[in-house]
Amino acid sequence: TQLLEQSPQFLSIQEGENLTVYCNSSSVFSSLQWYRQEPGEGPVLLVTVVTGGEVKKLKRLTFQFGDARKDSSLHITAAQPGDTGLYLCAGSGNSNSGYALNFGKGTSLLVTP
Amino acid sequence: KAGVTQTPRYLIKTRGQQVTLSCSPISGHRSVSWYQQTPGQGLQFLFEYFSETQRNKGNFPGRFSGRQFSNSRSEMNVSTLELGDSALYLCASSLLFSEQETQYFGPGTRLLVL
Repeated sequence: TQLLEQSPQFLSIQEGENLTVYCNSSSVFSSLQWYRQEPGEGPVLLVTVVTGGEVKKLKRLTFQFGDARKDSSLHITAAQPGDTGLYLCAGSGNSNSGYALNFGKGTSLLVTP
Repeated sequence: KAGVTQTPRYLIKTRGQQVTLSCSPISGHRSVSWYQQTPGQGLQFLFEYFSETQRNKGNFPGRFSGRQFSNSRSEMNVSTLELGDSALYLCASSLLFSEQETQYFGPGTRLLVL
């Protein structure tokens, strides 16, 4: 059972466009993390959000944690080809899984010049 | 500091064989977790070791096992391989294993079962 649902599954956009990726769950998490994974590599942590309603910015990336700590979004402004990759959200602290990370299946982003 | 290293990077096995994968955590990290990544299921938690003890286990059959050594290096073993075991196996290390700890992932071992 996938606790975290990500949408869209695939996204192909042109350089300069904006995009939003969603991560939804019916479960409450103590914290939620966003990772980016490039081909042949392991996931690399982008951000951790822990407080309901929290917004964090990382250059052109804006992360938001829902008030109820069940959902999150990642917004990229003026996407660049270097943003291409698999974006994964992962929740931890769910009562059923302890501290193990529960991952969504990911959003595969392709940014073309 | 060197990152998490995993060996081998690629592996081809046939059904029924067994395989052992190795993970060396970041120096000083005591927790090592293993994940399986497939296109269909995404990343799924296998198990976590801390100070040579398995503390947390995912929903995988007993064919999947692991261990951790006194230097925090970890191995995972899959016996009686099945086609569905073809996947990217990722190892992650952290200082401890808690909600606030960042897990650092290695590049993974890509296993193909024929």
